[in-house]
Amino acid sequence: EDQVTQSPEALRLQEGESSSLNCSYTVSGLRGLFWYRQDPGKGPEFLFTLYSAGEEKEKERLKATLTKKESFLHITAPKPEDSATYLCAVQDGGYNKLIFGAGTRLAVHP
Amino acid sequence: DAGITQSPRHKVTETGTPVTLRCHQTENHRYMYWYRQDPGHGLRLIHYSYGVKDTDKGEVSDGYSVSRSKTEDFLLTLESATSSQTSVYFCATRSMGISNNEQFFGPGTRLTVL
Repeated sequence: EDQVTQSPEALRLQEGESSSLNCSYTVSGLRGLFWYRQDPGKGPEFLFTLYSAGEEKEKERLKATLTKKESFLHITAPKPEDSATYLCAVQDGGYNKLIFGAGTRLAVHP
Repeated sequence: DAGITQSPRHKVTETGTPVTLRCHQTENHRYMYWYRQDPGHGLRLIHYSYGVKDTDKGEVSDGYSVSRSKTEDFLLTLESATSSQTSVYFCATRSMGISNNEQFFGPGTRLTVL
């Protein structure tokens, strides 16, 4: 059965303190791994799609990487506005159905 | 922003009553999805649609039905609401041929069943 596990559940950082969020997955055939950002009271906002091991994508202070069993979201020199819940998902079969992890709640303090 | 609206945004109802949530999109996306989000579970797929009148069940479909009579509207119905269906419901859409293959999400509907 396809499964996505994110760690840690919550992370508190000081502004400028770099760190990484983990997403481990088990899927019969990876068709895509997705990262989303979700602010309180809002819908998830798309960040990245990764398709194959070794692939990396960057956006401002965020960089997503992918191996055969896990993905990392690296946050470099975070700012308070990076505080949010970060969700990881894998595509499950056809029609782009997604299986989500429970998310990592990130709080960045000044 | 894929132009997705959900209505109502908040609803309180009583156990046993039927409830319909509406998702409306203005982007002509072919695929639409309904998820629920609960603490500790992340987002879970309820039903999805791959075209007008073409729908299928997701992971947690029991107690829910959907209809899609027009490209722009996807309705989620709770036939007889239960307290376990208290949740935040998100609609999402996806177009064919998007380079990143991503789904776009609406703002959510917070449903409380008393």
